[in-house]
Amino acid sequence: DGGITQSPKYLFRKEGQNVTLSCEQNLNHDAMYWYRQDPGQGLRLIYYSQIVNDFQKGDIAEGYSVSREKKESFPLTVTSAQKNPTAFYLCASSMSPSSYNEQFFGPGTRLTVL
Amino acid sequence: AQTVTQSQPEMSVQEAETVTLSCTYDTSESDYYLFWYKQPPSRQMILVIRQEAYKQQNATENRFSVNFQKAAKSFSLKISDSQLGDAAMYFCAYRRRRMDSSYKLIFGSGTRLLVRP
Repeated sequence: DGGITQSPKYLFRKEGQNVTLSCEQNLNHDAMYWYRQDPGQGLRLIYYSQIVNDFQKGDIAEGYSVSREKKESFPLTVTSAQKNPTAFYLCASSMSPSSYNEQFFGPGTRLTVL
Repeated sequence: AQTVTQSQPEMSVQEAETVTLSCTYDTSESDYYLFWYKQPPSRQMILVIRQEAYKQQNATENRFSVNFQKAAKSFSLKISDSQLGDAAMYFCAYRRRRMDSSYKLIFGSGTRLLVRP
């Protein structure tokens, strides 16, 4: 089945450690996105990528890094510089960056810093 | 900067009844898209309905419809014949239509919908 997969579903990290969240899509979509969701808030954009080997910062990029070496993969690294990383992380993709195209979301990863 | 406001943290509806979720937004743009997303307990975001700002006709998808008031910058979601499976968080979202680097969706804080059997 076509879709977006995120792994792991739950992730625990000690303070000071970097962790990488996986996002893979087999929809042949050009654009991919990472959002962060905190309790009582909507989603906020961390990074997005319109095409392979290119990505742009979103509203809350500090403490995060990404790569886009393959069309189907857009991993997110949460670095030790991120002050409050405990949150729910959602990856999304769309056919093209065109604003008309629907963004499809993955099931998310819950990151907890111990 | 664009903002999206959902003033109802939680709403409750009796099964088979109708409920309306409110959303207002602020923008200086004239052309944009508005969306309602549903997030069930599984936490997967699902697109419910989409409205293009340049279209005067309100969008409809089966039991879901919107009341789009462009001048008032209001975009409410009406759910008719509510079902238990409609229970979820609902997020209103805005996106600019212009093709530039701002491809992001701007989300409201969400409304939790409870459905009473």
